[in-house]
Amino acid sequence: GDSVTQMEGPVTLSEEAFLTINCTYTATGYPSLFWYVQYPGEGLQLLLKATKADDKGSNKGFEATYRKETTSFHLEKGSVQVSDSAVYFCALSLYNQGGKLIFGQGTELSVKP
Amino acid sequence: SQTIHQWPATLVQPVGSPLSLECTVEGTSNPNLYWYRQAAGRGLQLLFYSVGIGQISSEVPQNLSASRPQDRQFILSSKKLLLSDSGFYLCAWRQGKNTEAFFGQGTRLTVV
Repeated sequence: GDSVTQMEGPVTLSEEAFLTINCTYTATGYPSLFWYVQYPGEGLQLLLKATKADDKGSNKGFEATYRKETTSFHLEKGSVQVSDSAVYFCALSLYNQGGKLIFGQGTELSVKP
Repeated sequence: SQTIHQWPATLVQPVGSPLSLECTVEGTSNPNLYWYRQAAGRGLQLLFYSVGIGQISSEVPQNLSASRPQDRQFILSSKKLLLSDSGFYLCAWRQGKNTEAFFGQGTRLTVV
């Protein structure tokens, strides 16, 4: 079935380190891909998205490229800050299934000063 | 502007009792509506989604059901709760199939 798999957390980094959070997917058809972020004590909010192969989504210094050949949408940031500490969720949306929206299990990121 | 309301925020129910969680959206029409359960360390599990009144897609066969009696109202129900139904339930909406989803504040359900 359709699914999203993320790298397990927690991920602990020092400030200004490079971040990669891996996300791969399995889907029937061609999904749209999303990254959502949940800061401590807050709800989920959209971080970035890509709707077709080779698209790059970017926001707040984060970016991810839709790779159809590897069915991946890895999240990257060149220099993380303490304020980036949060749980990150990769998600896919299936246009041909009425907008079904599936999330991965989430990856907790902790950035230390 | 659009808003989503989900209630109650917390709920403690005995095993075998019924459940009704309600979610309503304001400021939009014909939204896609979703029910998720979020477990610690296990992400968001899609339970049900709906693209229109009376149209419900079930993702996980279990002790729950969903209904959409009105365009902007989505209800999660159970006739008899199990201990395993405990969890954090989130309602979400979005307009269209490639757009951002917006989430309610969630309901913490404890079955005792």
